[in-house]
Amino acid sequence: QVQLQESGPGLVKPSGTLSLTCAVSGDSINSSHWWSWVRQPPGKGLEWIADIYHSGGTYYNPSLKSRVTISVDKSKNQFSLNLSSVTAADTAVYYCARVSYYDSSGWAQYYFDYWGQGTLVTVSS
Amino acid sequence: QSVLTQPPSVSGAPGQRVTISCTGSSSNIGAGYDVHWYQQLPGTAPKLLIYANIHRPSGVPDRFSGSKSGASASLDITGLQAEDETDYYCQSYDNSLSSSVFGTGTKVTVL
Repeated sequence: QVQLQESGPGLVKPSGTLSLTCAVSGDSINSSHWWSWVRQPPGKGLEWIADIYHSGGTYYNPSLKSRVTISVDKSKNQFSLNLSSVTAADTAVYYCARVSYYDSSGWAQYYFDYWGQGTLVTVSS
Repeated sequence: QSVLTQPPSVSGAPGQRVTISCTGSSSNIGAGYDVHWYQQLPGTAPKLLIYANIHRPSGVPDRFSGSKSGASASLDITGLQAEDETDYYCQSYDNSLSSSVFGTGTKVTVL
């Protein structure tokens, strides 16, 4: 059974950097899957942040790209998220997820098949 | 400012059928990108409900079904049960935004 577990500080000061790690069990970070971060502000909808492959390939949400770094640690079977220059608008539950890709209709398609339980990060002084 | 629009809420009596729509455009669903659906119980992570428009992961009841037509998709819940009362999100890809996108979310209420 694939399991993902987020960890990191629950409180970050404005203008600081949010850093989270996702530990993966039941699957290898070196598998054919990509790995992703998604966030959800309190009472609001879901927003995709970034994806990473074990080879280091990455995709970023253009609206966050200038502030986001996603990385992978194959030795620890985990991946991480850094979000810099945070403001109150970055307060959210942050989820890590496994991504499954496939080809259809001439496009690369993907969905999130396993999710971590999520961790609330509050940006406040 | 999601590019996938869902009704804020839908409701139905136990045993009835409800349908949740997910309306996109020519840069996402209409371009040929598939739609996936997630169920999110209060205080928990989203759970994959339907992938690739119509497919149910193992363990998802066949009361849940998906479809896609043109630039829209739908999630049907038949034989509505009290445990189905929660939030549902659609997800696809938008090539003008170069981003995976989620719908605005729909709350299902069982009357």
